[in-house]
Amino acid sequence: DAGVIQSPRHEVTEMGQEVTLRCKPISGHNSLFWYRQTMMRGLELLIYFNNNVPIDDSGMPEDRFSAKMPNASFSTLKIQPSEPRDSAVYFCASSLRGTIQNEKLFFGSGTQLSVL
Amino acid sequence: QKEVEQDPGPLSVPEGAIVSLNCTYSNSAFQYFMWYRQYSRKGPELLMYTYSSGNKEDGRFTAQVDKSSKYISLFIRDSQPSDSATYLCAADNAGNMLTFGGGTRLMVKP
Repeated sequence: DAGVIQSPRHEVTEMGQEVTLRCKPISGHNSLFWYRQTMMRGLELLIYFNNNVPIDDSGMPEDRFSAKMPNASFSTLKIQPSEPRDSAVYFCASSLRGTIQNEKLFFGSGTQLSVL
Repeated sequence: QKEVEQDPGPLSVPEGAIVSLNCTYSNSAFQYFMWYRQYSRKGPELLMYTYSSGNKEDGRFTAQVDKSSKYISLFIRDSQPSDSATYLCAADNAGNMLTFGGGTRLMVKP
């Protein structure tokens, strides 16, 4: 199994530009999570999907952030317009929910975003 | 106050030492407790998973949960330089989202 795949690995952009981060979850997993990690705030949940439906987006910081999951094998996190304070590592994670024993997250390698 | 608190470290130990990593939490509804290990420039990976109070052992690693005091511990025996990483504790309220601690950075020196 290839694991959770994220792209790009690194993204450098200028303030005001649109940024799109991509994620392919593990095949067969039915839940997908977007996290943001910074030194100051640690790992923060932004949004999570179950069976492609957004369940909780209370962690999305502002309307500049949006996430979609058009099918079970693909999700995007978009920031428009981007700001320097959005600089962080963005992780995608997936899990198989429905049985308690399987609620374990598998993380991708992350996208290091730098907004200049 | 965060729901799950961890000392950020760094914690520096010599190779072969026993390491104790700890977390406290405030939400009594948490039932599932996990430890994730995160190497530099990598995503967190699940290390240990426990339900409710008690101990769980896996090789050199032992996870301990004391729900009465809301205390979570991870012990690493015979620590190795390859154990150098950031360790994140996390707690889950049966079906809801994981809440992570801020992570403790561990350095094991040869």
